[in-house]
Amino acid sequence: GAVVSQHPSWVICKSGTSVKIECRSLDFQATTMFWYRQFPKQSLMLMATSNEGSKATYEQGVEKDKFLINHASLTLSTLTVTSAHPEDSSFYICSASGDREANEKLFFGSGTQLSVL
Amino acid sequence: LAKTTQPISMDSYEGQEVNITCSHNNIATNDYITWYQQFPSQGPRFIIQGYKTKVTNEVASLFIPADRKSSTLSLPRVSLSDTAVYYCLVRNTGGFKTIFGAGTRLFVKA
Repeated sequence: GAVVSQHPSWVICKSGTSVKIECRSLDFQATTMFWYRQFPKQSLMLMATSNEGSKATYEQGVEKDKFLINHASLTLSTLTVTSAHPEDSSFYICSASGDREANEKLFFGSGTQLSVL
Repeated sequence: LAKTTQPISMDSYEGQEVNITCSHNNIATNDYITWYQQFPSQGPRFIIQGYKTKVTNEVASLFIPADRKSSTLSLPRVSLSDTAVYYCLVRNTGGFKTIFGAGTRLFVKA
């Protein structure tokens, strides 16, 4: 099946620093990528939807200036958490889809655990 | 966007068949139904996808009635390693955002 690679798997940073998370589709062209965050024992919460070459669409309540998303190519999307604070500590997950056919599946990265000290 | 409703949790024993039902009353004509499995600190893993009737693969079966307003994931002979959260998603392509419901926590006991 299709593979979505997410890096890093975990990161610890100091408050006020920025962290970049990469999401790559390894064997298909990802027209659309989604970014989620997940708190312990909760479901995935959609943060934003990004289409290659265009600006991301953010969900209500998600600060676009804090969570910068770049989808510059059909195989790479990045999420940058700027000026991270302890409340940004969470599990971040990306997903990707080719979206060429109606039944194309959505594949997920392995997630990134962010801990802000 | 089709909203999904699932039982919050289920318990089972090893070797039993487990059926998890998901309601999606507002499913659209172009929507597909997909089930994912998630273990702690991992991304969701694709299990099975269908549009109507029955779909079967090496790990599960998916039953979808004619009105498509619900679907049932069937896991045959579960093992301890099937303890996870199971999510049903309803989506189509075109860049439409995919929203997760609460999922079902399955706990398999020895």
